Amino acid sequence: AQRVTQPEKLLSVFKGAPVELKCNYSYSGSPELFWYVQYSRQRLQLLLRHISRESIKGFTADLNKGETSFHLKKPFAQEEDSAMYYCALDNAGGTSYGKLTFGQGTILTVHP
Amino acid sequence: NAGVTQTPKFQVLKTGQSMTLQCAQDMNHNSMYWYRQDPGMGLRLIYYSASEGTTDKGEVPNGYNVSRLNKREFSLRLESAAPSQTSVYFCASRKGYASYGYTFGSGTRLTVV
Repeated sequence: AQRVTQPEKLLSVFKGAPVELKCNYSYSGSPELFWYVQYSRQRLQLLLRHISRESIKGFTADLNKGETSFHLKKPFAQEEDSAMYYCALDNAGGTSYGKLTFGQGTILTVHP
Repeated sequence: NAGVTQTPKFQVLKTGQSMTLQCAQDMNHNSMYWYRQDPGMGLRLIYYSASEGTTDKGEVPNGYNVSRLNKREFSLRLESAAPSQTSVYFCASRKGYASYGYTFGSGTRLTVV
């Protein structure tokens, strides 16, 4: 069974401070991992996917298979980063058939 | 460029009433999903449809039924609503391979009293 754990329900930082949102997963196959973000009163939207190794809005995330982690990081947080962040795992394993499992979510608040 | 459209946006039901949540996507995606979002529990998969004509149970299917009417539409039905089904419901779709990511609808906020 696949499982995603986000240990922090709430995370508060000040503007300009570094931020790290933790995500750990358990899955026996080859997972595809994502970060989704939900801004206030908006729909979930894809922020990052591990396969593309991209940086979006200053955020990066590295897949660490040894530690089964996919932490989201940003060196200098901005107030507009305040949102709910979900880590998610897809079990498709390179096929076209799969389903997404979400962590419990972390509410990030960036104070001015 | 509508993406994934859900109706209604808000609904209040009395215990025991039934209703259907509608979802439609215009991106020619193969797979569609229904999730519920509850505080402290993240999003949990209710049902999904890998392709037109197929549906499968997710993590929390009890009390729900689904219909994949065609490639565009995937509806979620509550036959006899219970207060435990008070939640925000999200529909999502995916083009094909997981690396493309999922596109979500704006959600339906359902309250069962």
